[in-house]
Amino acid sequence: DAGVTQSPTHLIKTRGQQVTLRCSPKSGHDTVSWYQQALGQGPQFIFQYYEEEERQRGNFPDRFSGHQFPNYSSELNVNALLLGDSALYLCASRKTTQETQYFGPGTRLLVL
Amino acid sequence: GDSVTQMEGPVTLSEEAFLTINCTYTATGYPSLFWYVQYPGEGLQLLLKATKADDKGSNKGFEATYRKETTSFHLEKGSVQVSDSAVYFCALSDYGGSQGNLIFGKGTKLSVKP
Repeated sequence: DAGVTQSPTHLIKTRGQQVTLRCSPKSGHDTVSWYQQALGQGPQFIFQYYEEEERQRGNFPDRFSGHQFPNYSSELNVNALLLGDSALYLCASRKTTQETQYFGPGTRLLVL
Repeated sequence: GDSVTQMEGPVTLSEEAFLTINCTYTATGYPSLFWYVQYPGEGLQLLLKATKADDKGSNKGFEATYRKETTSFHLEKGSVQVSDSAVYFCALSDYGGSQGNLIFGKGTKLSVKP
């Protein structure tokens, strides 16, 4: 049973560019959440997707957007990258009827 | 808003020492509480959880008890191993109110020396 997978594992971009990160949830899971983990900090909630719609959003600007596909996989898009967007981006999935979330290994984004 | 506070790290222990990592929370509802562990270069793994007051979560020798009266969920292990070296995160999830997104503490780095 595959767990949550994310791609790519590492990414280097320059300021002002755009980036897309991808996530495949654990088998049987239909809800996907994205978190940003800055170096030395705990993860911060970005948004959650269910039934292809954004169900809830944390305190992140509109430069952060997402999408969920019919197969429950998800993308996180960040436009106009800033140096401060450098972080580990974590995807987590769960069944909508259960509260325990399972995390992927993350994508480490470096903005130069 | 809801929040989680963890003891500052890093924590350095010798192998077989007793471990306590303190965690307290603030929440308006009735949250579930979690401990996640992050090994170097990896994502988060669920270590244990408790969903209501007085519940005890346990896994791999780690334990934590949901204390509503002190709003705490301290992580303990009787005898740590070198392989326990990692960053530990306390988190809450107000499933009913916020549909399950997690609020994390800042993490506590544990180093266990042989």
